[in-house]
Amino acid sequence: AQSVTQLGSHVSVSEGALVLLRCNYSSSVPPYLFWYVQYPNQGLQLLLKYTTGATLVKGINGFEAEFKKSETSFHLTKPSAHMSDAAEYFCAVSDRDGTASKLTFGTGTRLQVTL
Amino acid sequence: NAGVTQTPKFQVLKTGQSMTLQCAQDMNHNSMYWYRQDPGMGLRLIYYSASEGTTDKGEVPNGYNVSRLNKREFSLRLESAAPSQTSVYFCASSEGRNQPQHFGDGTRLSIL
Repeated sequence: AQSVTQLGSHVSVSEGALVLLRCNYSSSVPPYLFWYVQYPNQGLQLLLKYTTGATLVKGINGFEAEFKKSETSFHLTKPSAHMSDAAEYFCAVSDRDGTASKLTFGTGTRLQVTL
Repeated sequence: NAGVTQTPKFQVLKTGQSMTLQCAQDMNHNSMYWYRQDPGMGLRLIYYSASEGTTDKGEVPNGYNVSRLNKREFSLRLESAAPSQTSVYFCASSEGRNQPQHFGDGTRLSIL
């Protein structure tokens, strides 16, 4: 069975500082990987996805993530945090089998941005 | 441009009551999903429907039933609600295999 581990349930950064949210996955074959963001009282929105090809993936709002097969990681970064980035972030993995896009989610990391 | 619409947004039930959560998508997606979100546990898949006419259990199906009414609609039913089912429920849809999922805004359900 697949699993996703997000290190750090809460991360606090200063506005303008680097954002680094960690995600490691466990899968027998390279999976498809996703990062989602959830703002208060809303559903999840897709930030970016990795399927095949280039291992550095750019997403919306200045976020990017790098797929590292050797480290089974898919960490999310943003060079300069903005107050509007405060939200909860979820890493998710989808296996390559089946007809549906079944996702296994990590437990989430809440990002706080301070002045 | 509604995307995924869930009704109701909020609901309070008493233990033992039944209820159906409704979900509809207007993106012509093949697959639909129901998740529950609990603090510190992320989202867990309850049931999913890979295509119209099919449904399958996810990680936490006990106490729930689903119906894929047509390509647009996928409902979740609690036959006899229990306090352990207090949660936020999200419906999602995707074009199909390994495609990103699009989420509704959730139904906040409290069971007393």
